[in-house]
Amino acid sequence: NAGVTQTPKFRILKIGQSMTLQCTQDMNHNYMYWYRQDPGMGLKLIYYSVGAGITDKGEVPNGYNVSRSTTEDFPLRLELAAPSQTSVYFCASSYSKGQGAYEQYFGPGTRLTVT
Amino acid sequence: DAKTTQPPSMDCAEGRAANLPCNHSTISGNEYVYWYRQIHSQGPQYIIHGLKNNETNEMASLIITEDRKSSTLILPHATLRDTAVYYCIVRVALGRGSTLGRLYFGRGTQLTVWP
Repeated sequence: NAGVTQTPKFRILKIGQSMTLQCTQDMNHNYMYWYRQDPGMGLKLIYYSVGAGITDKGEVPNGYNVSRSTTEDFPLRLELAAPSQTSVYFCASSYSKGQGAYEQYFGPGTRLTVT
Repeated sequence: DAKTTQPPSMDCAEGRAANLPCNHSTISGNEYVYWYRQIHSQGPQYIIHGLKNNETNEMASLIITEDRKSSTLILPHATLRDTAVYYCIVRVALGRGSTLGRLYFGRGTQLTVWP
């Protein structure tokens, strides 16, 4: 299994441009997540999904959109890039393993710079 | 939200045990304690989790106090490759009545293992 894969690894955007960060997992996990990590900080949850067709906002959703048309894919869309969105973006997936017990598997991240 | 408090940094000699403390005084009875680590901006990696009993796996041991207000992650024989930021996380339930738990990442503890 490849696990969780993310593309691209790096990207530079100009203010106002848009882009989609891709995330794919091959573990048949129902749950998927998008986090962002600013320098020296912990991860903050942007959006999450409990299954195909179901998404919901996390802690910092403004400026982003997601969709989940398949179990495997969970793309993150930035419509009007702003310098505040300069960050490292991590996608993760997980499954349920008994009541309250599960672990999240993370992708390698996408480093985004908006100038 | 049940949140955690960790020292910002610790160091440890190679081959010795690394004991990383975490306080989570507001943890609820059905919330799990998770530990993840992040090596040099890679995606976080799951280490271990527990509810109230001590746990051990091939990577580490987790000691949770009887009142569950604090825990300690133990790396029994630290190596240079264990240098990373270690996150102690309490699983917080997300909305929609789901059993999906959000992982709240703080700043973690930077563990440096020196030769």
